[in-house]
Amino acid sequence: GDSVTQMEGPVTLSEEAFLTINCTYTATGYPSLFWYVQYPGEGLQLLLKATKADDKGSNKGFEATYRKETTSFHLEKGSVQVSDSAVYFCALKEGAQKLVFGQGTRLTINP
Amino acid sequence: DAGVIQSPRHEVTEMGQEVTLRCKPISGHNSLFWYRQTMMRGLELLIYFNNNVPIDDSGMPEDRFSAKMPNASFSTLKIQPSEPRDSAVYFCASSLGGQMNTEAFFGQGTRLTVV
Repeated sequence: GDSVTQMEGPVTLSEEAFLTINCTYTATGYPSLFWYVQYPGEGLQLLLKATKADDKGSNKGFEATYRKETTSFHLEKGSVQVSDSAVYFCALKEGAQKLVFGQGTRLTINP
Repeated sequence: DAGVIQSPRHEVTEMGQEVTLRCKPISGHNSLFWYRQTMMRGLELLIYFNNNVPIDDSGMPEDRFSAKMPNASFSTLKIQPSEPRDSAVYFCASSLGGQMNTEAFFGQGTRLTVV
């Protein structure tokens, strides 16, 4: 079945560092891909998405490119802030099916 | 729109008691999902509905758990009897089903503690 594998956390960085959180997926067809973010004490919120190969999703300085050849959707940000500290989830959706989530990566940014 | 609304936000109950969690999806959304989140197991899909019909309940841990969606604007997740290992944050989410590129919108969750 469909699955998502994320880089294991936790990840700790200093403010203004470059961030990469790896995500790879397994799917039978051509899914849509998503990154969600969960701030402490809150539900998940959509950060960005991409619906076809080579699409780039972006929001709040974060970017991820849908790479069909490597079945990847890595999340990047050029300069992180303390306010980016959260748990990040990669997810896929194929057809009209449910969202399949990765296990989440906890990110902590130190000032 | 107010988003997905869950109640209560926090619930503390004694082992053996019945617990009912409630969810109001976003108006117009026809898919609804119940998730459970714990430190040990991460985010787990328990059940999801399309047009009020349960489609996949394979994630429901055991018979103590049941979920209903009597209409398009309301769903419940019931645990009877509750056990300490059910302690977790339970999220409800909704989306426009039938569309591959539409995201799910999450509620703020219900933090359940069974003592």
